[in-house]
Amino acid sequence: EAGVAQSPRYKIIEKRQSVAFWCNPISGHATLYWYQQILGQGPKLLIQFQNNGVVDDSQLPKDRFSAERLKGVDSTLKIQPAKLEDSAVYLCASSLGTVGGPYNEQFFGPGTRLTVL
Amino acid sequence: ILNVEQSPQSLHVQEGDSTNFTCSFPSSNFYALHWYRWETAKSPEALFVMTLNGDEKKKGRISATLNTKEGYSYLYIKGSQPEDSATYLCAFPSSNDYKLSFGAGTTVTVRA
Repeated sequence: EAGVAQSPRYKIIEKRQSVAFWCNPISGHATLYWYQQILGQGPKLLIQFQNNGVVDDSQLPKDRFSAERLKGVDSTLKIQPAKLEDSAVYLCASSLGTVGGPYNEQFFGPGTRLTVL
Repeated sequence: ILNVEQSPQSLHVQEGDSTNFTCSFPSSNFYALHWYRWETAKSPEALFVMTLNGDEKKKGRISATLNTKEGYSYLYIKGSQPEDSATYLCAFPSSNDYKLSFGAGTTVTVRA
């Protein structure tokens, strides 16, 4: 079974530029998550999709971040314009269940490491 | 966001030695605790889902215990090998929406 795919793996941009990340979850997984992991901190949930609908985006900085999951499969996360504090690893994860219970295992991609100069 | 703490932040272990580290979480409204291993340049992978007080789970040389009453879990690595070098994350789902709150991780470096 193929895992969660993410691209690019690394990205370096200057502040005020735009960047987009792509995620392809495991086939058949209804729920997709984007996390931000800043150095020295644990991953923080930015947005959760169930199929192509947003379940939770309460921690997404909507003035600069946007995300979509067209057709309930692939997803993109965009930052426009980027700030220095956006430097982080952006992880995508997916899970099988349509309702994320506490026991629900999330499968992660390798992440995109973003550096904003 | 729930307060999940891991200690120590990092540790260095000699190959063959055993080690352990801690994850602390809120002791009320417990459902489960997840442990993940994240090797450099790879995807985080699930190690264990702990659900019962007193639970002990084992995967090869890695094991974990759970104390839900006092709100902590230990992860043990027996006879550490270089391939055990990774960041170990614990995650606690909230009781209302099951969103995971992650600790900052313990980074283990095993020296040959």
